[in-house]
Amino acid sequence: AQTVTQSQPEMSVQEAETVTLSCTYDTSESNYYLFWYKQPPSRQMILVIRQEAYKQQNATENRFSVNFQKAAKSFSLKISDSQLGDTAMYFCAFMKHFQNTGNQFYFGTGTSLTVIP
Amino acid sequence: DSGVTQTPKHLITATGQRVTLRCSPRSGDLSVYWYQQSLDQGLQFLIQYYNGEERAKGNILERFSAQQFPDLHSELNLSSLELGDSALYFCASSPSGVNTGELFFGEGSRLTVL
Repeated sequence: AQTVTQSQPEMSVQEAETVTLSCTYDTSESNYYLFWYKQPPSRQMILVIRQEAYKQQNATENRFSVNFQKAAKSFSLKISDSQLGDTAMYFCAFMKHFQNTGNQFYFGTGTSLTVIP
Repeated sequence: DSGVTQTPKHLITATGQRVTLRCSPRSGDLSVYWYQQSLDQGLQFLIQYYNGEERAKGNILERFSAQQFPDLHSELNLSSLELGDSALYFCASSPSGVNTGELFFGEGSRLTVL
C-alpha cells in the first residue's frame, strides 16, 4: 500500500520570503504521479502542481516549484515570494493508475501554512 | 470551475435523519471519489466508483452508502446521522487514461447535524 507523509503540521513564513513544505511517500511502484493541492480558507481544493515520476525535471508553476527525489521518495514544495493568498492547507498526494480500477489517490495529512504580513 | 458539481452546497439536519449528497463528475471522467473532511482535519477517503462499479473503499461507515449511476453521476447516502458526521463532503473525479492524472474536486457539501 502507498503512504504519504507530511511531517510538518504547521508552518509560517514572512511575506515575500521562501518556504519549503516536505512530503515523503512509500511505494514499490515505478510509474506514478505526485501532486500538491492547496486548500484556502474557502475550503476549495485547488491543484498547485503535478509531477510525473518518469520525468526527471522538476515541475514548476510560477512561484511554485518542487524538488522531486525519486530514489529518496521525497517530493517537497517550494513557494517563492510568498504572498498572503498562499495562506492555506497544503496536501501532498500520490496517484497510481490501475487498469481495472482507474486512478488511485493517497493523500498526506496536510501542512497548514500561514503567510505573515 | 473544476467541472465537478455537487449539491446541495449546505445542508442542516437533525440526528437520526438521512441525507443524500449528489455529484456530477467532469464530462468524460469515469471515476468518482468521495471524501470526508471534518473541521481542521485532513481528507478521509470514503469510496471510489469506476464506470458504475465500486472499486475502492476507505473508512466508510456502514451507515453510509454510495452508488454511481449509468450517466456517471454519483450519490452518497448518509443515514442515522450523528453529530460527528458533521463535515465537508467532497466529490472528485479523475480522467481514466493511463497517462493522465489529477483529481478534480467539487466545491463540497457542508453537512451540519444538530
